[in-house]
Amino acid sequence: EAGVVQSPRYKIIEKKQPVAFWCNPISGHNTLYWYRQNLGQGPELLIRYENEEAVDDSQLPKDRFSAERLKGVDSTLKIQPAELGDSAVYLCASSSPFTGGPGELFFGEGSRLTVL
Amino acid sequence: AQTVTQSQPEMSVQEAETVTLSCTYDTSESDYYLFWYKQPPSRQMILVIRQEAYKQQNATENRFSVNFQKAAKSFSLKISDSQLGDAAMYFCAYRSWSGGSNYKLTFGKGTLLTVNP
Repeated sequence: EAGVVQSPRYKIIEKKQPVAFWCNPISGHNTLYWYRQNLGQGPELLIRYENEEAVDDSQLPKDRFSAERLKGVDSTLKIQPAELGDSAVYLCASSSPFTGGPGELFFGEGSRLTVL
Repeated sequence: AQTVTQSQPEMSVQEAETVTLSCTYDTSESDYYLFWYKQPPSRQMILVIRQEAYKQQNATENRFSVNFQKAAKSFSLKISDSQLGDAAMYFCAYRSWSGGSNYKLTFGKGTLLTVNP
């Protein structure tokens, strides 16, 4: 079974440019998460989806970040315009009450963003 | 809000030896989950072990075991017979028992484990 797939793996952009990250969760996983992991830190939740509904986006900087999960499967996270402080690894994860145990998240390999 | 603290930024262990990674957390809840996740270099994060707070028995998974001290709010990970493949960043994480807005995982800053041959 395929895991969580993210693209691109690496992205280098100049500040003020837009960038988008794509995530395909494990098939059948209704819950999808976007986390941001700054260098030397643990991941921090940006947004959580239950199917196509964003049920927790309290940590998403809404002035420049947006996300969507059309049809409750794939998801896209967008930053526009990017700032130097946005340099980080953006992790996508998915979960299902029928896969793994309680609270277990399945992570992708992440998208590393460098803003110059 | 819950917080998770990992006081050891880096640890090292000799192959085949035992190492213990520390984690403390702060919560006012009585029911919750605790996790250790492993993040190898440039690889995805995977679950190592999980502990339900209502269980008094410490969780074990092969060479990995935890020492869960609920009153002290301490949750350490012991890796026995360390192998080169255990080298990774290890994150301690907390999740509320209830769902809703508390469904998210709260992570510590991580401990980088080096395994020396």
